[in-house]
Amino acid sequence: NAGVTQTPKFQVLKTGQSMTLQCAQDMNHEYMSWYRQDPGMGLRLIHYSVGAGITDQGEVPNGYNVSRSTTEDFPLRLLSAAPSQTSVYFCASSHDRDRGTSGDNEQFFGPGTRLTVL
Amino acid sequence: AQSVTQLDSHVSVSEGTPVLLRCNYSSSYSPSLFWYVQHPNKGLQLLLKYTSAATLVKGINGFEAEFKKSETSFHLTKPSAHMSDAAEYFCVVSDIESYQKVTFGIGTKLQVIP
Repeated sequence: NAGVTQTPKFQVLKTGQSMTLQCAQDMNHEYMSWYRQDPGMGLRLIHYSVGAGITDQGEVPNGYNVSRSTTEDFPLRLLSAAPSQTSVYFCASSHDRDRGTSGDNEQFFGPGTRLTVL
Repeated sequence: AQSVTQLDSHVSVSEGTPVLLRCNYSSSYSPSLFWYVQHPNKGLQLLLKYTSAATLVKGINGFEAEFKKSETSFHLTKPSAHMSDAAEYFCVVSDIESYQKVTFGIGTKLQVIP
């Protein structure tokens, strides 16, 4: 059981380049999400998905696309990288939370991808 | 809407003394509350969680937190700090209205002085 895996661990891009950050989980979690972590700002939600074929925007979605074709994978695409996207990116997954109950939706985090855009 | 405020960006304690990391939250509904820890250059690990069961929650590594609805607080404590506790700690809130959207605090960096 590998948990949540992310690739690559480090990446340097030039402004305008595109790339995909990969995220996979083997816990059969319905919910997956992408965060960026910047100093003094905590983690901010970029996009999330509550199941295959379903995605939605988080707090800071601009400049990023996601798709969820399978339960296991949730890639994050940078369409045209900008220096403002220099950050550490974390993928997380959890079981779905039941509406109407105080469900247990502990998130499991990947090790992160450190991205620098020059 | 939900929000979370971590009242201290940095906390410094001496080894062996108590730790208090403060967190206040805002939620229109019964929230779930979490504390996560992040050691340098590592991912986030769950310390403990509150999901409307006992208000005093015990977590890993001797940490605990008390949910106080009247004060909208969920402070993290440990009786005696260890050098290995030096890390960044995040308070997180999630409620039914914001379904699956969790909100992170900005984090508190804990420094432990030998």
